[in-house]
Amino acid sequence: GNSVTQMEGPVTLSEEAFLTINCTYTATGYPSLFWYVQYPGEGLQLLLKATKADDKGSNKGFEATYRKETTSFHLEKGSVQVSDSAVYFCALTPVGSSASKIIFGSGTRLSIRP
Amino acid sequence: EPEVTQTPSHQVTQMGQEVILRCVPISNHLYFYWYRQILGQKVEFLVSFYNNEISEKSEIFDDQFSVERPDGSNFTLKIRSTKLEDSAMYFCASSEAYRETQYFGPGTRLLVL
Repeated sequence: GNSVTQMEGPVTLSEEAFLTINCTYTATGYPSLFWYVQYPGEGLQLLLKATKADDKGSNKGFEATYRKETTSFHLEKGSVQVSDSAVYFCALTPVGSSASKIIFGSGTRLSIRP
Repeated sequence: EPEVTQTPSHQVTQMGQEVILRCVPISNHLYFYWYRQILGQKVEFLVSFYNNEISEKSEIFDDQFSVERPDGSNFTLKIRSTKLEDSAMYFCASSEAYRETQYFGPGTRLLVL
């Protein structure tokens, strides 16, 4: 079946450090891939997405590249800020008849120290 | 910027009671969704709704659950007889079209005692 696996948290970094949050997926064909972010007390916000192999999604300094060969969509940022502290969810929408739903990973809590 | 809103933000209810969670999707969106997140667990899909009918539902969405779009703006999730295990954060989402980006509301935290 379709699933998303992401690295467990919490992840704690110092400000200006490099961030990687690993995400791999299981799905048939070419699902659309997403990163959502949830800031404290708020709902889920779309951070970035990619809809086909080798696409790179980017937003607010974050990037992720759709790697079909490794079924991965790792999130990266070159220099994190305190304001990036949040929970990050990797997700996909599968192809085919169940394409309207989003399947989420378990989330990774990120804390940035000043 | 248009956003999805949800009310109430928190609800506490007794086991066996009915609850209705309300959502106002983005006005030009046609597809509506409910998801839930039990504390410490993944966000799970419940149901999608289009053209006044359910287009897909998960195994979680049993006969205790129903959805409705009672007017041109609201989208509701009803739980007929709540159980302790229904305690979760419930998120509403909407999208402009099929497979387009889903925009989420802030959630309703439901606690069943």
